[in-house]
Amino acid sequence: QQQVKQSPQSLIVQKGGIPIINCAYENTAFDYFPWYQQFPGKGPALLIAIRPDVSEKKEGRFTISFNKSAKQFSLHIMDSQPGDSATYFCAASSSGTASKLTFGTGTRLQVTL
Amino acid sequence: DGGITQSPKYLFRKEGQNVTLSCEQNLNHDAMYWYRQDPGQGLRLIYYSQIVNDFQKGDIAEGYSVSREKKESFPLTVTSAQKNPTAFYLCASSNLDSLNQPQHFGDGTRLSIL
Repeated sequence: QQQVKQSPQSLIVQKGGIPIINCAYENTAFDYFPWYQQFPGKGPALLIAIRPDVSEKKEGRFTISFNKSAKQFSLHIMDSQPGDSATYFCAASSSGTASKLTFGTGTRLQVTL
Repeated sequence: DGGITQSPKYLFRKEGQNVTLSCEQNLNHDAMYWYRQDPGQGLRLIYYSQIVNDFQKGDIAEGYSVSREKKESFPLTVTSAQKNPTAFYLCASSNLDSLNQPQHFGDGTRLSIL
């Protein structure tokens, strides 16, 4: 049973564009929502994370928007660059579960010149 | 510098053979995790451990075994019972001293069948 649904599966944008990746979850006990960035042959690296007490969080060019009532959250990448080309994973966990993460299926982003 | 080291980077398994993937961390993290990554399926949790000499099954533990004899080490054995072992295996660790600590990942081991 997939508890975190991620879309789209792949995305191509031009340099300077704003790719948006969406995730939806089912488990209302989730209270921590990180995004990871993964380059080929490497492990995922934490990009940004949000908790449900805020609706938006920005870190540099990366923004998470969170809609608790809809059980959805999304990643926006401002002024995207070719170096942002990677696979992005959303994830979720609930307190008291040893920080176990449930991952989305990933979005492969390509930023073209 | 601190981090998670996985070895080997590539591994080949023969039919009926058990193979062990190494994961070592020098971050002094309490918890360690093993994930399997397949194309289009994201990361799936195999096993995790919150403390030395204790570990729990994740979502896809069948055909795998682990041990946690030292805080810094969490090896994963892929047994012959795992019929489809070809995948990218990722090890992660995190602190448990406060809620929702981020997980830090190694650079993975790619396992293939000969």
